[in-house]
Amino acid sequence: DAGVIQSPRHEVTEMGQEVTLRCKPISGHDYLFWYRQTMMRGLELLIYFNNNVPIDDSGMPEDRFSAKMPNASFSTLKIQPSEPRDSAVYFCASSSGTGTSGANVLTFGAGSRLTVL
Amino acid sequence: GNSVTQMEGPVTLSEEAFLTINCTYTATGYPSLFWYVQYPGEGLQLLLKATKADDKGSNKGFEATYRKETTSFHLEKGSVQVSDSAVYFCALSDAARGGSYIPTFGRGTSLIVHP
Repeated sequence: DAGVIQSPRHEVTEMGQEVTLRCKPISGHDYLFWYRQTMMRGLELLIYFNNNVPIDDSGMPEDRFSAKMPNASFSTLKIQPSEPRDSAVYFCASSSGTGTSGANVLTFGAGSRLTVL
Repeated sequence: GNSVTQMEGPVTLSEEAFLTINCTYTATGYPSLFWYVQYPGEGLQLLLKATKADDKGSNKGFEATYRKETTSFHLEKGSVQVSDSAVYFCALSDAARGGSYIPTFGRGTSLIVHP
């Protein structure tokens, strides 16, 4: 398996533009997570899906952020309109769920670095 | 709720020095514990894990022992290399969190190893 695939790797956009980040999880994994990483706030969980259904979106910062998972092999994170404070690295991760004794190991993608000017 | 506390970085060492990165946790159930590593420009990847008390996880010369009595999972390596320079994240997953095992991550500790 090629691992978790994210695109684009880098995105530079202007304030007010729409941004769409994409993720292809590992085949067979039934959990998908979106994280945001910044120097100030560290690694933040934005939302996660189980079997394509959003379970907890309490980490989504505001209504400008939305995430979808139309099928088991694809998810998007959209920011509309984007603002400079959204600049961060966004990671997608997937896992096969409970594993053994709660050892839920996540496999992360390489991340999408977003810069909003 | 669950939480993970790591020592603040950066930790700066010379090559072949001994490494310890402290991690303590708070959990309501019986968590599994993890160390993830993030190399520059990459995503996090699992370094090692332990699923029950007194278990020792090990990989690539790194070790960590699950200490329930002190609620700790300190990361150690006897002799670091320049290539170990990265950010290290301690994490836990706990069945008490709605049974969904969603991990809680620490803030990360940056390690810089000089030749």
